[in-house]
Amino acid sequence: QSALTQPASVSGSPGQSITISCTGTSSDVGPYNYVSWYQQPPGKAPKLMIYDVSNRPSGISTRFSGSKSGNTASLTISDLQAEDEADYYCSSFTTSDTVVFGGGTKLTVL
Amino acid sequence: QLQLQESGPGLVRPSETLSLTCSVSGGSISSSSYYWGWIRQPPGKGLDWIGTIYYRGFTYYNPSLRSRLNISVDASKNQFSLKLHSVTDADTAVYYCARGRAPVDDWGQGTLVTVSS
Repeated sequence: QSALTQPASVSGSPGQSITISCTGTSSDVGPYNYVSWYQQPPGKAPKLMIYDVSNRPSGISTRFSGSKSGNTASLTISDLQAEDEADYYCSSFTTSDTVVFGGGTKLTVL
Repeated sequence: QLQLQESGPGLVRPSETLSLTCSVSGGSISSSSYYWGWIRQPPGKGLDWIGTIYYRGFTYYNPSLRSRLNISVDASKNQFSLKLHSVTDADTAVYYCARGRAPVDDWGQGTLVTVSS
């Protein structure tokens, strides 16, 4: 199985909005609404930010939102803050009953 | 509050077996219909899904690791384990144990395993 495709890096200034894309195939992102997004600060374990395409776990800021169109999912962070600087990974369930992650995107807050 | 803690050797020799255990506290590994699994992250690289076990014992493995991999549950100890056979340098990574599959909603802190002679 191939990794989902994410941009290597994105950046934005405080207060702005950014979007990270996650492109898969008709074997993973396309057929299911089981796309998740994780935030990983340097040296720490990942943390679930979005599940089932657009749902936020309890305690996650409403500044984080998710969506999906066809084989591509997206994570949008609005009102960007310095604390949002981290690596972000998407993942999806697949038609083979497995899970695949994206290659990760480094978010820099300018 | 669920907590997961990885344990095992930090150094494994090439061609040998990497063995890790995940101890679960704050909840029973068999009381709910959860998946439990392993994810790894080579130094400076992205996340790599290893595999998952359903609390009733069904396993799901990354196809690229399936021939070398075994994940099991010991409900009496509230633990689950990973065994990866015939390791090479490419298996050097931080290994995370986790609850959930899609999504992974709880993660251990991770443990670095280095494959080296």
